[in-house]
Amino acid sequence: DVKVTQSSRYLVKRTGEKVFLECVQDMDHENMFWYRQDPGLGLRLIYFSYDVKMKEKGDIPEGYSVSREKKERFSLILESASTNQTSMYLCASRGSGAQYFGPGTRLLVL
Amino acid sequence: AQTVTQSQPEMSVQEAETVTLSCTYDTSENNYYLFWYKQPPSRQMILVIRQEAYKQQNATENRFSVNFQKAAKSFSLKISDSQLGDTAMYFCAFMKFQGGSEKLVFGKGTKLTVNP
Repeated sequence: DVKVTQSSRYLVKRTGEKVFLECVQDMDHENMFWYRQDPGLGLRLIYFSYDVKMKEKGDIPEGYSVSREKKERFSLILESASTNQTSMYLCASRGSGAQYFGPGTRLLVL
Repeated sequence: AQTVTQSQPEMSVQEAETVTLSCTYDTSENNYYLFWYKQPPSRQMILVIRQEAYKQQNATENRFSVNFQKAAKSFSLKISDSQLGDTAMYFCAFMKFQGGSEKLVFGKGTKLTVNP
């Protein structure tokens, strides 16, 4: 089975803090993704990466950056957290023609 | 741009009965994938079923099956013999390939409740 893990299930941060969300997959997949999920808006793509050190912007990249130094790990960075970044963040990894998701990180920015 | 529409924000069904969730999409592409994902209250998104657009045969996974109508751009999910564990948000999603990378477009979801 594909396993995608995320470093935290719940996070509480203060406005202006730098926040790191980590995602790890164990299937040697090349493509990895970060989404945010908000009620009524569904899932929106923030960034994705199709190889180490490669990244592309999704639909809502503003306020976020990413890092992919190793194939198995894809990090989402909030350079200066703001309250409108309070959300559920989902990481996904693609293999066998489908994307497989991690358990999600619920981030609260105060 | 591709869009995915799920017209039923919420549905409910009695245990052991059959329910169908609707999904329509808009695309000018000819080759693409369609998916149904399930997200139970624990929040882990799980792949339920996948359909390749070039395949005419409808995909089936145990109690889950789809009705794929390519010309109508319709992709409904049928759940037979509904179980309490089927209670979840269900998302329909579309994916096309864009030169080595790809983008998954989701509908806004249908909240399904299975009642005992």
